[in-house]
Amino acid sequence: EAGVTQSPTHLIKTRGQQATLRCSPISGHTSVYWYQQALGLGLQFLLWYDEGEERNRGNFPPRFSGRQFPNYSSELNVNALELEDSALYLCASSSTGKLYEQYFGPGTRLTVT
Amino acid sequence: AQRVTQPEKLLSVFKGAPVELKCNYSYSGSPELFWYVQYSRQRLQLLLRHISRESIKGFTADLNKGETSFHLKKPFAQEEDSAMYYCALSADNYGQNFVFGPGTRLSVLP
Repeated sequence: EAGVTQSPTHLIKTRGQQATLRCSPISGHTSVYWYQQALGLGLQFLLWYDEGEERNRGNFPPRFSGRQFPNYSSELNVNALELEDSALYLCASSSTGKLYEQYFGPGTRLTVT
Repeated sequence: AQRVTQPEKLLSVFKGAPVELKCNYSYSGSPELFWYVQYSRQRLQLLLRHISRESIKGFTADLNKGETSFHLKKPFAQEEDSAMYYCALSADNYGQNFVFGPGTRLSVLP
């Protein structure tokens, strides 16, 4: 069984630009979660998508947004990038009924210069 | 709002020694608690959840509602246990309000 995949592995952007990060969940999983792991801050919950709908979002500004496609893959978009957006962005997926059992991807390292 | 704290950023023990990774939470309801682990160059993965009351890789964790704690324990640490450990809390079974602690790096010395 293939795990959660994320692309790209690394992304370097300039302040003010937009970044798009992608995630493919495990086959059969309908929920996708996005987390930000900034240095020294641990994992911060960003967004949760299930069945194509945004179900919940963490305490992040609206310039963090995303969507989930019919095949359950997901995109995270970060607009108007700021230096403090530099972090590892983790995607996780889970199946309905086992939402606590999240399977994580390897992450995308976003660097904003 | 729910919150998870892990007071130790780094914990070093010798091989064969007991290890306890502390986790405390604040939540007024009945939470579900989990431990996730991230080994070097590997993905974050679920280690155990309190409701299953199982032992994984020799680790156990007991939910103490009186002390609002969910400490992770192992009687004899192994070098391969060296990793980053995260305590997490779910306030419901719908994926909402899933909160991670800041993590503790366990280093098992030979």
